[in-house]
Amino acid sequence: GQNIDQPTEMTATEGAIVQINCTYQTSGFNGLFWYQQHAGEAPTFLSYNVLDGLEEKGRFSSFLSRSKGYSYLLLKELQMKDSASYLCAVSSSTDSWGKLQFGAGTQVVVTP
Amino acid sequence: GAGVSQSPSNKVTEKGKDVELRCDPISGHTALYWYRQSLGQGLEFLIYFQGNSAPDKSGLPSDRFSAERTGGSVSTLTIQRTQQEDSAVYLCASSLDTGGGYGYTFGSGTRLTVV
Repeated sequence: GQNIDQPTEMTATEGAIVQINCTYQTSGFNGLFWYQQHAGEAPTFLSYNVLDGLEEKGRFSSFLSRSKGYSYLLLKELQMKDSASYLCAVSSSTDSWGKLQFGAGTQVVVTP
Repeated sequence: GAGVSQSPSNKVTEKGKDVELRCDPISGHTALYWYRQSLGQGLEFLIYFQGNSAPDKSGLPSDRFSAERTGGSVSTLTIQRTQQEDSAVYLCASSLDTGGGYGYTFGSGTRLTVV
């Protein structure tokens, strides 16, 4: 089985930086995804990590350490529109590729 | 189409009735997925189709749930004899392929309420 943990909620100020941590335990590892989900909307793909290290995409960066079962999503220069739930999801090598295990999500609240 | 289309967007049904949820993936996407999201919960995998391969049905919670994908395109998720615990948002997603980090594109979902 798999266990994916991420904080329930984080609050940060507009313009600041927030780091959302995700820890996972899997019987194998094929990759880790981050998705953004605004209230009442579908999740949208943010990033994918399969090798250790940092992947940067504009204001968003995602980090992976496979040996530690750990990832984080870094949001820089926060904007009000970044208020959303951020979902960590893992693909296990013991499952079919298409089957992702999602964490419960971290609700990020950006305040003025 | 331009995105993943799901219908209906909302469905209220009486306990014990059957429902069908439809998903029209992005043209050319070979992989199609169904997940559901209950209030305050993470997304729960239901089923996944990839090309002509046998689908991975390992996430279907009971034999009341079934899904098919006709002609490698449109998919229908059927729930028979609905129960109140089936109430959730049912999300369909598609991707170009599997592996290599192709992120899913999700539809807007069908909100199912069983009363």
